Amino acid sequence: EAQVTQNPRYLITVTGKKLTVTCSQNMNHEYMSWYRQDPGLGLRQIYYSMNVEVTDKGDVPEGYKVSRKEKRNFPLILESPSPNQISLYFCASSTYSDRGLDGYTFGSGTRLTVV
Amino acid sequence: GENVEQHPSTLSVQEGDSAVIKCTYSDSASNYFPWYKQELGKRPQLIIDIRSNVGEKKDQRIAVTLNKTAKHFSLHITETQPEDSAVYFCAALGPSLKLSFGAGTTVTVRA
Repeated sequence: EAQVTQNPRYLITVTGKKLTVTCSQNMNHEYMSWYRQDPGLGLRQIYYSMNVEVTDKGDVPEGYKVSRKEKRNFPLILESPSPNQISLYFCASSTYSDRGLDGYTFGSGTRLTVV
Repeated sequence: GENVEQHPSTLSVQEGDSAVIKCTYSDSASNYFPWYKQELGKRPQLIIDIRSNVGEKKDQRIAVTLNKTAKHFSLHITETQPEDSAVYFCAALGPSLKLSFGAGTTVTVRA
């Protein structure tokens, strides 16, 4: 089944303790992206990647890191989580061309709590 | 960068009536405009999209219109049903392939 898999679904951590949220897709998509969703703010892009070893900042990259060493994986790293990073996080992937994105698929989400 | 504004933030309609959600964007180079539906506790799912070389696209009860000159696009849902109740997001893809979303519209269909 074609899908984007995020883990974990729920994550509770303490301020300052490094964590990684994993994202993997099995559709051979070039384009992958991370978003955070907060009430009243919609989905804001954190980072995106157009291919292996190519990553770019989205609208809210501060406090986050990503890597794209393999085509299928795009982990999101929080080096020092803080309470303002409490949110619902989504990973997404897609093919792309000069016509735009095609087959944009979201993962099931990761709800992060920082205490 | 691209700025997408979406209105209204909430919309309540009687079952069977139409619902219209409007979005504006700032980057005239944006060329792809998808719409997503997110049900409570679930992931956003693509319901329809339109590319810059087309002015209108329809899929059963859902249609999207695009006015590139005015930089706005709209989602139209006809003959609304209770299962149309959800949060709807518009988005615009800029030339750098950054996809920017509107803040969302919560649609409630009253039986």
